[in-house]
Amino acid sequence: AQTVTQSQPEMSVQEAETVTLSCTYDTSESNYYLFWYKQPPSRQMILVIRQEAYKQQNATENRFSVNFQKAAKSFSLKISDSQLGDTAMYFCAFMKLGDTSGSRLTFGEGTQLTVNP
Amino acid sequence: DAGVTQSPTHLIKTRGQHVTLRCSPISGHKSVSWYQQVLGQGPQFIFQYYEKEERGRGNFPDRFSARQFPNYSSELNVNALLLGDSALYLCASRLRDRTYEQYFGPGTRLTVT
Repeated sequence: AQTVTQSQPEMSVQEAETVTLSCTYDTSESNYYLFWYKQPPSRQMILVIRQEAYKQQNATENRFSVNFQKAAKSFSLKISDSQLGDTAMYFCAFMKLGDTSGSRLTFGEGTQLTVNP
Repeated sequence: DAGVTQSPTHLIKTRGQHVTLRCSPISGHKSVSWYQQVLGQGPQFIFQYYEKEERGRGNFPDRFSARQFPNYSSELNVNALLLGDSALYLCASRLRDRTYEQYFGPGTRLTVT
């Protein structure tokens, strides 16, 4: 079974600054995806960024980037130029590939990020 | 295009009652997954359906059941409700069985009193 751990229940950052959210995971699988999802107060879960485990290059989506350390099983999210709209709960998630188990997402406990003006 | 829709938005039930939650996936999506999100926690996987067949089940009791219809919409049923079933129930759709990207609906907030 896979586990995902987010050790920072809450974080805050000033607008326009950079913040990094941490995530570690445990798995014996070799083929998997990792994701960061954002859940604002509206409750809609929104995909922020994904990383394929077989890719060494870290994924980047505009102001969002990840630091994927496969050997250390670490997957952190960096948000640059933070905006007030980034205020949300952020979840790290794992998806195993290549079987018929339903390709389920395993989520961490979440990190509440507050961007202050 | 419409996103994933769920109904109802909120509902309140009494212990021991039964509840049915509904989900309509994005048009063309054939796979639907259900997740339970207890307040302050990350979502937990309940079921995945693809082409009307169950493809995965999480660690939930048999009181939880689901089905998928020919139009790919889905229902989640919970019998003999317990206080601990109070949660946000999320539905996610995906184009095919093993594609990675899941699109989530706004959820149904269930309160059991």
